[in-house]
Amino acid sequence: SQKIEQNSEALNIQEGKTATLTCNYTNYSPAYLQWYRQDPGRGPVFLLLIRENEKEKRKERLKVTFDTTLKQSLFHITASQPADSATYLCALDGSSNTGKLIFGQGTTLQVKP
Amino acid sequence: EPEVTQTPSHQVTQMGQEVILRCVPISNHLYFYWYRQILGQKVEFLVSFYNNEISEKSEIFDDQFSVERPDGSNFTLKIRSTKLEDSAMYFCASSEGFRPKLFFGSGTQLSVL
Repeated sequence: SQKIEQNSEALNIQEGKTATLTCNYTNYSPAYLQWYRQDPGRGPVFLLLIRENEKEKRKERLKVTFDTTLKQSLFHITASQPADSATYLCALDGSSNTGKLIFGQGTTLQVKP
Repeated sequence: EPEVTQTPSHQVTQMGQEVILRCVPISNHLYFYWYRQILGQKVEFLVSFYNNEISEKSEIFDDQFSVERPDGSNFTLKIRSTKLEDSAMYFCASSEGFRPKLFFGSGTQLSVL
């Protein structure tokens, strides 16, 4: 069955450093992959979408890569700030025409000042 | 910025009772979804809805669950006879199409006693 794994349950880094989060998937060939941010008690907030034919996507301090051979996406936050502390979710499209997303369990990022 | 609104933010009910969770999706969006998140677990897809009918549902979405778009603005999730294991945060989401990003509401925390 389709499986999505995100690296480690928590990631602690120092302010100003680059955070790198990993999303691996198996038994699936998604047409696109998305990253969301989730704060405690809140709904996920969309950050970036990358399609299967794209290698890299950037938005301000965020960068996402997508390697369909390795079945892996990397999510980078450069010059991290304490306000970046949250849980980051990887999501794959679950079907071709219904918008269903399959989420990973998330990686909690803590940026220390 | 337009947002998805959900009411109530918290709902406490007795096992066996019916509950209706309400959502107002973003006005020009055409696709609507319900997801849920049990405490400490992944965000899970329940159902997607387009053109006044269900386009896909998960195994969780059994006969006890139903969705409705009673008018041009509201989208509801009904659980006919709640069970203890229905306790979770329920998120409504909407999107312009079935491929781009989802906009999530802040959720309704359902507690079944």
